[in-house]
Amino acid sequence: NAGVTQTPKFQVLKTGQSMTLQCAQDMNHNSMYWYRQDPGMGLRLIYYSASEGTTDKGEVPNGYNVSRLNKREFSLRLESAAPSQTSVYFCASSELAVSNYGYTFGSGTRLTVV
Amino acid sequence: GNSVTQMEGPVTLSEEAFLTINCTYTATGYPSLFWYVQYPGEGLQLLLKATKADDKGSNKGFEATYRKETTSFHLEKGSVQVSDSAVYFCALRLSGGYNKLIFGAGTRLAVHP
Repeated sequence: NAGVTQTPKFQVLKTGQSMTLQCAQDMNHNSMYWYRQDPGMGLRLIYYSASEGTTDKGEVPNGYNVSRLNKREFSLRLESAAPSQTSVYFCASSELAVSNYGYTFGSGTRLTVV
Repeated sequence: GNSVTQMEGPVTLSEEAFLTINCTYTATGYPSLFWYVQYPGEGLQLLLKATKADDKGSNKGFEATYRKETTSFHLEKGSVQVSDSAVYFCALRLSGGYNKLIFGAGTRLAVHP
């Protein structure tokens, strides 16, 4: 099925470990986004990529890095995980960077840092 | 700053009841407004949108009207079903600039038979 695919779905890390969350879309969308979802806070933008080859910080970028590997893939890396990064992470894509198109979301990665 | 405020949940209703979930926003310029729905274990899905004042977005029996004078975008449905149980997020996109969405905290709806 067409859409946004995130891996893994669940992950437990120890404090200080690193990991990369993978995201791929097959809709030929230009823009991709990483959000985190925390109880009572809704979704907050971590990083986004308006088009292939560009990335920019969102609202809460500290502790994260991203790579727009190609048009399809946008990965999120935690270099040294902290308990404050326990969250559900969503990747999303949209057809254009400057538009009123909605987002298509992946099903999320639930990350626990102990 | 720019923000979205939603009524706190959970909202608990019986099947066929009328639903209202309040959403107000603070934003510069003329934002576009969205409602997203998240079913258990899934990502968010676009439910409806409105891009200018007095526009009404509608989908699957849900409606919301962009009220600039009250900076609101309340979600309504005349008769809810058990299958509508989910978390609902109001969001805005600022006019100009990139397609970045600002989300509210979400409102959980539970519908009982």
